[in-house]
Amino acid sequence: QLVLTQSPSASASLGASVKLTCTLSSGHSTYAIAWHQKQPEKGPRYLMKVNKDGSHTKGDGIPDRFSGSSSGAERYLTISSLQSEDEADYYCQTWGAGIVVFGGGTQLTVL
Amino acid sequence: QLQLQESGPGLVKPSETLSLTCTVSGDSVSSSYFWGWIRQSPGKGLEWIVYFHHTGSTYASPSLKSRVSISVDKTKNQFSLNLKSVTAADTAVYYCARLVSNTWPYLINHWGQGTLVTVSS
Repeated sequence: QLVLTQSPSASASLGASVKLTCTLSSGHSTYAIAWHQKQPEKGPRYLMKVNKDGSHTKGDGIPDRFSGSSSGAERYLTISSLQSEDEADYYCQTWGAGIVVFGGGTQLTVL
Repeated sequence: QLQLQESGPGLVKPSETLSLTCTVSGDSVSSSYFWGWIRQSPGKGLEWIVYFHHTGSTYASPSLKSRVSISVDKTKNQFSLNLKSVTAADTAVYYCARLVSNTWPYLINHWGQGTLVTVSS
């Protein structure tokens, strides 16, 4: 069964960097995923697609501070030079056998 | 510039049908993309409901499949969600979205702003 696992929470200081992780379930380590940002009181925003080889394609207008990478079954979202507006929930998403799958989301706190 | 805008009643009574419409601008519902609905209940994560292609393929979440239907109005460039027999558990912010269909896996690459639907008598 295709499952995406995310840590429920993360925190980092203003101006620092943070790396969020999305783990694909066993047997699905080659899947690409998308990262989405959900700020309070706003609709989700597509950030990027991250492929198994670590290459990534960002959505329109996504700052260079956001980048993606991969290692095995893990897909990462790195945010550098953290700003207060980066405080949000981050979801990974993929698809398999007709099913759209979301991770549980990581709530990022900017200290 | 692609824009998706959800619209519909903000309050629905239990056992009735929830109906929402997504108006698409900057693209066509007849394009190669999939179009779909996702929701987020209070305090919870994102939950996929359904997605479809204008050629007729429709895929609904197994947990909601028996209650969900989709309709498309190509002349108005809109698509609609109907969710029947609603309960309080269907209270959520509902989002429409676009999914890429020409590369695997199918990923969401654009979202609407969302609309809150409360199920209450």
